[in-house]
Amino acid sequence: SAVISQKPSRDICQRGTSLTIQCQVDSQVTMMFWYRQQPGQSLTLIATANQGSEATYESGFVIDKFPISRPNLTFSTLTVSNMSPEDSSIYLCSVLTGDNQPQHFGDGTRLSIL
Amino acid sequence: AQTVTQSQPEMSVQEAETVTLSCTYDTSESDYYLFWYKQPPSRQMILVIRQEAYKQQNATENRFSVNFQKAAKSFSLKISDSQLGDAAMYFCAAQRSNDYKLSFGAGTTVTVRA
Repeated sequence: SAVISQKPSRDICQRGTSLTIQCQVDSQVTMMFWYRQQPGQSLTLIATANQGSEATYESGFVIDKFPISRPNLTFSTLTVSNMSPEDSSIYLCSVLTGDNQPQHFGDGTRLSIL
Repeated sequence: AQTVTQSQPEMSVQEAETVTLSCTYDTSESDYYLFWYKQPPSRQMILVIRQEAYKQQNATENRFSVNFQKAAKSFSLKISDSQLGDAAMYFCAAQRSNDYKLSFGAGTTVTVRA
């Protein structure tokens, strides 16, 4: 399966600032996704990162708050903008290497906002 | 829309014994996939086992097996010969075959007693 590198692994940020999380894959993948996992909770899909076009956001998530880029088939970024303590979560990227394949996840970014 | 329900917040098992985790789902899709993922304290999401909905045969992967009851929309995970390394949060998930979006259950924390 693909090797997924997610950076940073953790960060502590001040409220009102923004942080960009990177997801790099060692091979081309068909699809990339971003998830949020709030403390003690399950994973919720934020958006599908589309290569060369705007991401597709799920209900409750907007581009102004979570801008996403995917310039090529191996790389994507998620920015958490104007952060508040409620944004403290683990953010995970996942990739799909082909049709009928399972999603594989990066190690996640643990984000804490003070 | 897909919903996934895990009704057991916590399960405890003696080392070398067997434990079964329950999962039910609801979907309007005719073609979909089901998964069990494991998340240890390191927060990495690890694929345990997958089941294609069109296959009647239950999937097995070493000590892990599923009981897939399509009519009942049930997808339970059996862990045999439990090991200390099996201790983790286990998430049941359903994936749509048209856009590959994953929906997760709330998770079950498995504790293994030595």
